[in-house]
Amino acid sequence: QVTLKESGPALVKPTQTLTLTCTFSGFSLSTSGMRISWIRQPPGKALEWLAHIDWDDDKFYSTSLRTRLTISKDTSKNQVVLTMTNMDPVDTATYYCARTPLGGLSHYFDYWGQGTLVTVSS
Amino acid sequence: QSVLTQPPSVSAAPGQKVTISCSGSSSNIGNNYVSWYQQLPGTAPKLLIYENNERPSGIPDRFSGSKSGTSATLGITGLQTGDEADYYCGTWDSSLSVVVFGGGTKLTVL
Repeated sequence: QVTLKESGPALVKPTQTLTLTCTFSGFSLSTSGMRISWIRQPPGKALEWLAHIDWDDDKFYSTSLRTRLTISKDTSKNQVVLTMTNMDPVDTATYYCARTPLGGLSHYFDYWGQGTLVTVSS
Repeated sequence: QSVLTQPPSVSAAPGQKVTISCSGSSSNIGNNYVSWYQQLPGTAPKLLIYENNERPSGIPDRFSGSKSGTSATLGITGLQTGDEADYYCGTWDSSLSVVVFGGGTKLTVL
């Protein structure tokens, strides 16, 4: 059974760094082609892809947020971590992690975490 | 402003059919697979269609996907009140090297 779950602070102050952890089970990120992404959704707005990390540690980032994001993995712990620096109220959103099972040319997300709402406010 | 363009809303009566369009360009839809997601209120998105027209296990054949050129379409037949949700298309953009989503379409089953 594949599951993913996001964890992290519900509230961060402007200028702080956000650290989110995606803990997953039912598969291994060391499996060829496996990929984990972070996607966010501001309240009432559309989905926005942030970053992904592949089984071979290849990483891609959103063009507009590239300078603020870092994604990493701990395969032994079945975790993927996303850090976002210099948080701003416009970063208030529900943050999801999601799995892509085949990677390569496939960029679909077959399993999603429940999401974690992060509010940026002083 | 989303890279992929979807109509903000569509509506149809129960039992009817509806289509949702997703328009892009040669750098995204034109040369990459499209996926579709259903997001019920207050829940995480759920994969409906991947690789343009493939349905994951458990997704009823009332849901279908197609792609032509730089546009893709999600079709839903036999509409049910439980289909009321937001629907998103997504794909890879080869020029930007990012995943892009549409702005979402709210389906109302009247």
